[in-house]
Amino acid sequence: DVLLVESGGGLVKPGGSLRLSCVASGFDFSSYTMNWVRQAPGKGLAWVSSISSSGSYIYYSDSVKGRFTVSRDNAKNSLYLQMNSLRAEDTAIYYCARTDYMDVWGKGTTVTVSS
Amino acid sequence: AFLLTQSPSSLSASVGDRVIITCRATQDISGALAWFQQKPGRTPRLLILDVYRLQNGVPSRFSGSGSGTDFTLTISSLQPEDFATYYCQQFYGYPLTFGGGTKVEIK
Repeated sequence: DVLLVESGGGLVKPGGSLRLSCVASGFDFSSYTMNWVRQAPGKGLAWVSSISSSGSYIYYSDSVKGRFTVSRDNAKNSLYLQMNSLRAEDTAIYYCARTDYMDVWGKGTTVTVSS
Repeated sequence: AFLLTQSPSSLSASVGDRVIITCRATQDISGALAWFQQKPGRTPRLLILDVYRLQNGVPSRFSGSGSGTDFTLTISSLQPEDFATYYCQQFYGYPLTFGGGTKVEIK
């Protein structure tokens, strides 16, 4: 089965950091662009970041640019999101999703930024 | 950026009703449009890709159409399991963007 499993979420104070991970299985991870998408409580879906299959091309939403860093390790079938300088408005469920049209999603990991 | 505006933001409908959701882009996105369904507490599910291509396992009562900047998702006969929030998404260019969502509720 094609599967994405996120981890690393939790409660963090404003200004703090977290590193999210997403482990893929059941497909050739190294061939796909991967994305992070978030959903704040009661709100809609919001794209956060994308990284190309080789990692050569990286994109961020304006809301996280300069604070978040996406990376991947194709040998470990893993996608990462390093989140620094976290703000209350970063509170959300963070999903990893496969390819530009998000055909496969993980179940998400919850990030709560609160003092 | 290729912004997407969905309408309506919510609607109430009965089982058996025909439901139409629209998604308008600020620029031509050359058919690079997907539709998702999300039920409460669940992960989004890709329903339609490239405007009209139904994904495996998606019932045929769902259909997509449109071109250029204007797109629609139609549910021909609403079923109880279709009550959910629907999102459009463009993948023509970065930043990738989603519509604001349409919540389909039971009348």
